[in-house]
Amino acid sequence: GQNIDQPTEMTATEGAIVQINCTYQTSGFNGLFWYQQHAGEAPTFLSYNVLDGLEEKGRFSSFLSRSKGYSYLLLKELQMKDSASYLCAAKSHSSYKLIFGSGTRLLVRP
Amino acid sequence: EPEVTQTPSHQVTQMGQEVILRCVPISNHLYFYWYRQILGQKVEFLVSFYNNEISEKSEIFDDQFSVERPDGSNFTLKIRSTKLEDSAMYFCASSEAYGGAGSYEQYFGPGTRLTVT
Repeated sequence: GQNIDQPTEMTATEGAIVQINCTYQTSGFNGLFWYQQHAGEAPTFLSYNVLDGLEEKGRFSSFLSRSKGYSYLLLKELQMKDSASYLCAAKSHSSYKLIFGSGTRLLVRP
Repeated sequence: EPEVTQTPSHQVTQMGQEVILRCVPISNHLYFYWYRQILGQKVEFLVSFYNNEISEKSEIFDDQFSVERPDGSNFTLKIRSTKLEDSAMYFCASSEAYGGAGSYEQYFGPGTRLTVT
């Protein structure tokens, strides 16, 4: 089966660091994606992890542990424009589709 | 930077009517997808398309739905007889190819908001 869990909402302060967690159960797991989605807009690609470890891209980093079925997205030096939903999505070997979690709505306060 | 485009941005239709949602994927991409997002809910996979045929479809993608690549650039989703529960944002996405980490990335279009009354 396929199941992805992430917190519904998080709040953080401008300039701070926030970590958004995601746990997944995916048959034949073959990669974990993070997307950012502003309200009423399309998801935009942030990161892709298929091997264990940390991938860093500027202010955003993503971590994967395959043995634990766990990933996180780390956002540093938060800016007001980072207020958005962050979607965790998994892919399996045998399929082209992305299975999305419900998303974590992040509110960045001044 | 290349992007996926979709038209129209908003479509209002009456229950039972047919609608066609249009997408232009990124030009060198080979895999095309439709997803939908009902307001306040998660993004759900509908169908993937490669080499002029459906490669996978979800249980949502029943007989009222069809996809087509009528020419070298467009990719369409047709809903034959719309129902109230079809009201959602429909996203088209495309990806380059398979093999290599970067090619798994799916790029999403801005979406078509479908409202069925």
